[in-house]
Amino acid sequence: ETGVTQSPTHLIKTRGQQVTLRCSSQSGHNTVSWYQQALGQGPQFIFQYYREEENGRGNFPPRFSGLQFPNYSSELNVNALELDDSALYLCASSASSSSYNEQFFGPGTRLTVL
Amino acid sequence: SQQGEEDPQALSIQEGENATMNCSYKTSINNLQWYRQNSGRGLVHLILIRSNEREKHSGRLRVTLDTSKKSSSLLITASRAADTASYFCATDGGNAGNMLTFGGGTRLMVKP
Repeated sequence: ETGVTQSPTHLIKTRGQQVTLRCSSQSGHNTVSWYQQALGQGPQFIFQYYREEENGRGNFPPRFSGLQFPNYSSELNVNALELDDSALYLCASSASSSSYNEQFFGPGTRLTVL
Repeated sequence: SQQGEEDPQALSIQEGENATMNCSYKTSINNLQWYRQNSGRGLVHLILIRSNEREKHSGRLRVTLDTSKKSSSLLITASRAADTASYFCATDGGNAGNMLTFGGGTRLMVKP
């Protein structure tokens, strides 16, 4: 069974730039969620994708957008980067068939905005 | 915003001792999950307890849930240095997108 993978591991961008983060879901999982974790805090839900559609969104502005592909992998795009976007971005996959919504997380992408 | 808070925010114990972390939340839930995170890396799923369960065990882990008090506790028995990590509770309220709402975490240090 292949776990959740994310790329890149680390990324440095400057304010105003755009970034794309990638996630491959765990084998057999069709749902992907993205979370932002600022230093010293718990993760905060950005959005979830299921069957290539956004299936729920947290309190994040529209410059945070995403995609899910037919193979269930996903991208998180952030436009017009701000300093406060510096964080660990976590991707989690789950199976919609699961009654309990156990989410399995990838290692994360550390984004630094200068 | 975060659903609730873990207590304590930081905990330091000696190897072999038990560690207890508490989590409080604000709204009704379908289930509550505990995760571990080492040094700002990915989250590792530890255990899930459903809203109709009161206690659950997994190895050295024991989780309790009191829905009347909207609280949960995680007990790690016979702690090891390798248990040093941050521990987060996350609630699933069954809302749109099945989002998990995390607390701020407890930073556990187990001294050898």
